[in-house]
Amino acid sequence: DGGITQSPKYLFRKEGQNVTLSCEQNLNHDAMYWYRQDPGQGLRLIYYSQIVNDFQKGDIAEGYSVSREKKESFPLTVTSAQKNPTAFYLCASSNGLAGGPHEQFFGPGTRLTVL
Amino acid sequence: QKEVEQNSGPLSVPEGAIASLNCTYSDRGSQSFFWYRQYSGKSPELIMFIYSNGDKEDGRFTAQLNKASQYVSLLIRDSQPSDSATYLCAARGGSQGNLIFGKGTKLSVKP
Repeated sequence: DGGITQSPKYLFRKEGQNVTLSCEQNLNHDAMYWYRQDPGQGLRLIYYSQIVNDFQKGDIAEGYSVSREKKESFPLTVTSAQKNPTAFYLCASSNGLAGGPHEQFFGPGTRLTVL
Repeated sequence: QKEVEQNSGPLSVPEGAIASLNCTYSDRGSQSFFWYRQYSGKSPELIMFIYSNGDKEDGRFTAQLNKASQYVSLLIRDSQPSDSATYLCAARGGSQGNLIFGKGTKLSVKP
């Protein structure tokens, strides 16, 4: 089955800790994205990557970091610099940014709670 | 600031009725538009996309696009209780082609 997986499903973090959220896709998509969703809010873009070894900041990148060493993997690290990290984190992928509709498909999400 | 606006609802319709969800966008350069359905506690799932003016139908769903008015809508015919969810509208455009999401409209279909 092709799809996007995220782990863990639930994550609890203590103040001052860094945590890494996993995102893997086997759709052979070039582009991958990380979004954050707060209650009653839309999706806000954290980081995105169009190709391996390249990524760009989205609208709310402060306190987050990413890497894209493999096409199928795009992990997100929530650092201690992120002051309000409790949220639902969604990873998505699409087959490219230029031309066509290039719809994005989402993983199941990781719910992060800071204790 | 590029924005996508949606009425937050809740929009309540009886079972079997037509649900009409609306969305406006600010970026005239937006090329394609997406409707996602999101059940509570779950991730968004793509329902439809549209990039040409007019209507696009898929089963009980019809997406409508009017680029002159910068308006996108989603009609759900024969609404079912299982359609109760939050519907997110998204627009793609601009130099990077990223999606801009609205905050979503919560739909409730009453049996």
